[in-house]
Amino acid sequence: GAGVSQSPSNKVTEKGKDVELRCDPISGHTALYWYRQSLGQGLEFLIYFQGNSAPDKSGLPSDRFSAERTGGSVSTLTIQRTQQEDSAVYLCASSLVRGGSGANVLTFGAGSRLTVL
Amino acid sequence: RKEVEQDPGPFNVPEGATVAFNCTYSNSASQSFFWYRQDCRKEPKLLMSVYSSGNEDGRFTAQLNRASQYISLLIRDSKLSDSATYLCVVNPGTGGFKTIFGAGTRLFVKA
Repeated sequence: GAGVSQSPSNKVTEKGKDVELRCDPISGHTALYWYRQSLGQGLEFLIYFQGNSAPDKSGLPSDRFSAERTGGSVSTLTIQRTQQEDSAVYLCASSLVRGGSGANVLTFGAGSRLTVL
Repeated sequence: RKEVEQDPGPFNVPEGATVAFNCTYSNSASQSFFWYRQDCRKEPKLLMSVYSSGNEDGRFTAQLNRASQYISLLIRDSKLSDSATYLCVVNPGTGGFKTIFGAGTRLFVKA
């Protein structure tokens, strides 16, 4: 597609349930990122994938959070046993990593708004 | 200390004013820098990259000071449409492309 696509756009769930959020990056982009943005706050880095390298999971807040990227394209962020503090907008971004200069521009999807009751 | 720090504002300025935002970063090995803009309830979008020699794009000027580890954004002749949150973005460049966002500076431009 022309841009980064995320689904669902809105998800309301009950505390303790598992949720899956999907991201379809721009075709050909090798890097994919997940961020979390709570109301009125900045973007919190969660995880990023780059090609076939091991993902950088350093931002995942707990072991309830996991993500995978299948076939170097679509990614799924899974939150198990959701808690109210997980309520936020989850933003996915992709980029075409350019060599060693690090000129790495991210294009974001519209986000998935998660509300945990 | 946060990896990227910004004054949250808000900055309230009249149309036509000049306004400047600063951002500091903690990792001296950081390699690339950007300013993104985020409108209310929208996703962030690239405003401009920041180059070592400084760069300008219309009414927007970005500067990088590696010695002091700060980045600045200057907006001249502010427009109502400039009202948004401005995010400072740093790529640490330590063998990867983990990209860190500052919490953002809110700007309100008033008629």
